[in-house]
Amino acid sequence: QVQLQESGPGLVKPSQTLSLTCTVSGGSINSGGYYWTWIRQHPGKGLEWIGFIYYNGNTYYSPSLKSRVTISVDTSKNQFSLKLSSVTAADTAVYYCARGLRLGELSWVWNYWGQGTLVTVSS
Amino acid sequence: QSVLTQPPSVSGAPGQRVTISCTGSSSNIGAGYDVHWYQQFLGTAPKVLIYVNINRPSGVPDRFSGSKSGTSASLAITGLQAEDEADYYCQSYDSSLSGSVFGGGTKLTVL
Repeated sequence: QVQLQESGPGLVKPSQTLSLTCTVSGGSINSGGYYWTWIRQHPGKGLEWIGFIYYNGNTYYSPSLKSRVTISVDTSKNQFSLKLSSVTAADTAVYYCARGLRLGELSWVWNYWGQGTLVTVSS
Repeated sequence: QSVLTQPPSVSGAPGQRVTISCTGSSSNIGAGYDVHWYQQFLGTAPKVLIYVNINRPSGVPDRFSGSKSGTSASLAITGLQAEDEADYYCQSYDSSLSGSVFGGGTKLTVL
């Protein structure tokens, strides 16, 4: 059974860079076929797709966040990471990592999720 | 404001049938992109309920069903149970935004 676990600071100062890591167990990031994804949820709000990375390093980001987002993978540690630069209070959210399965042309479903981690942006 | 519009809330009595709509446009659902549905309980991660419009993952009761027509999709829940009380989200792809998009979510209350 695949499990994902987010880790990283729960508090980040405005203008700094938010950094989170997702550790995958029960399966290899290197196995291919899956899209390792970050999704966030603002407090009391809906879900927002941030972006994903394929095992070969190809990335695909939300255009609204693209200028500030970097997703990378460390296959030796079976981890992938999120960096979001120049954060503001509007980036306060629960951040989820998830494993995406491509089901067709431009069709992905996220069938395994981490428990989520709350990141608060505040001085 | 989400590009996929869901009613903020729906409610029903135990045993009843409820539907949750997900209204999009010609750049997402209307363009033929798949719709997936998730169920989220308070304080937990979302879980896939329906994938590719109508399909249920193993373990999801057949009380849950999905449909899609034109620029909209719907999730139907029959034989409503107290344990169904949760938030429900639709998800698709939007070609104008060049990315995956979620609906704003619908809170289901079992009366």
